Amino acid sequence: GAVVSQHPSRVICKSGTSVKIECRSLDFQATTMFWYRQFPKKSLMLMATSNEGSKATYEQGVEKDKFLINHASLTLSTLTVTSAHPEDSSFYICSARTPGQGEFWGNTIYFGEGSWLTVV
Amino acid sequence: QKEVEQNSGPLSVPEGAIASLNCTYSDRGSQSFFWYRQYSGKSPELIMSIYSNGDKEDGRFTAQLNKASQYVSLLIRDSQPSDSATYLCAVTLGGATNKLIFGTGTLLAVQP
Repeated sequence: GAVVSQHPSRVICKSGTSVKIECRSLDFQATTMFWYRQFPKKSLMLMATSNEGSKATYEQGVEKDKFLINHASLTLSTLTVTSAHPEDSSFYICSARTPGQGEFWGNTIYFGEGSWLTVV
Repeated sequence: QKEVEQNSGPLSVPEGAIASLNCTYSDRGSQSFFWYRQYSGKSPELIMSIYSNGDKEDGRFTAQLNKASQYVSLLIRDSQPSDSATYLCAVTLGGATNKLIFGTGTLLAVQP
């Protein structure tokens, strides 16, 4: 299957600092990437949809000024958590959509390995 | 009403038995349906995708889709202890955004 790489896998930062997480599609071009966060024993919550060359689309309740998303190329999207606080500690997961035969059919979404963020 | 609903479980089955996981969704315009497996502390792993009504088989896994009932299921035959994980149902909503929305997941425990 398609490979999506996420880095770093674990990061600890001090409260008030910013952290950048990278998501790369290694063997395909991803025009769309998605960022999720997951709290322990909870499901994945979609934060935003990242489109190459345009602004990200954020889900309701997600602060776009706090979670900065950049999708500068067809293989790289970044999530920056700005002014991090302990409540931002979570598992952040990116995913990328492979090109399909149609807009809805044949598309498959693959996930990166995830990034554990701990804010102390 | 949640967009994608699953029984949180845990669902406990003996080794070698068939595990049946169920999922319902609310958006009738949904086009694509997926089952992911997630081990604790790890990222989800794609198990099956299904787009048309009926059954789709891949090894020990069978996905079933019934769009009229807005229902998708996953059967795991000859369950193994290594199948113990949380199984996430995911649905691509209708419309241009093609967002993937997850259910809360069902925890499956296969007893040796």
